[in-house]
Amino acid sequence: DQQVKQNSPSLSVQEGRISILNCDYTNSMFDYFLWYKKYPAEGPTFLISISSIKDKNEDGRFTVFLNKSAKHLSLHIVPSQPGDSAVYFCAASEAGKSTFGDGTTLTVKP
Amino acid sequence: NAGVTQTPKFQVLKTGQSMTLQCAQDMNHEYMSWYRQDPGMGLRLIHYSVGAGITDQGEVPNGYNVSRSTTEDFPLRLLSAAPSQTSVYFCASSYGINLAKNIQYFGAGTRLSVL
Repeated sequence: DQQVKQNSPSLSVQEGRISILNCDYTNSMFDYFLWYKKYPAEGPTFLISISSIKDKNEDGRFTVFLNKSAKHLSLHIVPSQPGDSAVYFCAASEAGKSTFGDGTTLTVKP
Repeated sequence: NAGVTQTPKFQVLKTGQSMTLQCAQDMNHEYMSWYRQDPGMGLRLIHYSVGAGITDQGEVPNGYNVSRSTTEDFPLRLLSAAPSQTSVYFCASSYGINLAKNIQYFGAGTRLSVL
């Protein structure tokens, strides 16, 4: 049973607009949530995280929102840029061990 | 700093062959892990280590062995390769599993095909 789900395999947005990537989880014991970004032929790189006791964390163009009651988090990218085109993985951590979603491929069109 | 280095980048094996995927990190990280990524899927944890001499199984450990004799190195051994092990393998390291956030640093991956 998949504990972390990213239900949208792909997302396409226009440059300058907002990108919203979603992630759902089932395990209420997760204490940290992280987003990683992956370019082709490279390993994932850490993007942004949020603690389970927070509902929002912002870092430049990237904001992560957490809704614990709905077991849902989202990553907002504003404004989106062509260089943001990549696969984004949501990960949930329990006692330091991470479980990853299947990823969402974001394409930002110029 | 080199970060996390994986070798080889590509490998083709025949069914039944064995091989070792190498992983080294130069950040003095305590926690190291191996993941596999199949097409359209996320990263699944194979084995992990919280420090030299300590290893444990992840979600999909069957068919793989690991050891951690030094802080820097964490090799993954395929005992008898099967086509189901065709995948991209990522090694990762982090400061420690005791840090709740446990941000992981990944290598570039090894693309393995088993014929």
